[in-house]
Amino acid sequence: AQKVTQAQTEISVVEKEDVTLDCVYETRDTTYYLFWYKQPPSGELVFLIRRNSFDEQNEISGRYSWNFQKSTSSFNFTITASQVVDSAVYFCALSEAAGGGADGLTFGKGTHLIIQP
Amino acid sequence: DSGVTQTPKHLITATGQRVTLRCSPRSGDLSVYWYQQSLDQGLQFLIHYYNGEERAKGNILERFSAQQFPDLHSELNLSSLELGDSALYFCASSVGAAVGRNEQFFGPGTRLTVL
Repeated sequence: AQKVTQAQTEISVVEKEDVTLDCVYETRDTTYYLFWYKQPPSGELVFLIRRNSFDEQNEISGRYSWNFQKSTSSFNFTITASQVVDSAVYFCALSEAAGGGADGLTFGKGTHLIIQP
Repeated sequence: DSGVTQTPKHLITATGQRVTLRCSPRSGDLSVYWYQQSLDQGLQFLIHYYNGEERAKGNILERFSAQQFPDLHSELNLSSLELGDSALYFCASSVGAAVGRNEQFFGPGTRLTVL
């Protein structure tokens, strides 16, 4: 069965510090997709990134970067020079391609990131 | 704004009652997913419909049911409500039926409080 673990329940840093959110996943499928979502205090879920299992290239988008390592089943998310607006709960999620891939996303428990001014 | 709409935004009801949550997907999206977010269970996938047909079921209770109508909007029906059903219910939509290949756009959610 698929599983996503976000071991860090809460992280608090001072503005401008770099911060890394960890995500470890379990799956028996060879084809799968990994996602990160942001949930700000307003409650909506905002899509950040999707990565398939065949693409291990790291990705950078502005202050955000993602490190995908199949060898350790990890898909970590780093925010560089954090800002107060980055304060939110961040979710890592997994989708397997098996069975047509119709099952919904499996989410981790989330990491509550607090950026202090 | 994701383009996915959900009504109502808030719902307060009593134990034993039945409620219906409504979701309209983004224009052009054929898939609708329902998720439940609670303090105990986190974010859980409930059910997936694609173009009117049920495609996958997750951790959905027998007291809960859903359907997708010809105009592609979807309704989630929750009956015999219990205190533990209090949660934020999200709807998401995507173009295709394969979850991983298509980005899911989430609606703002319906917060259900069962008293």
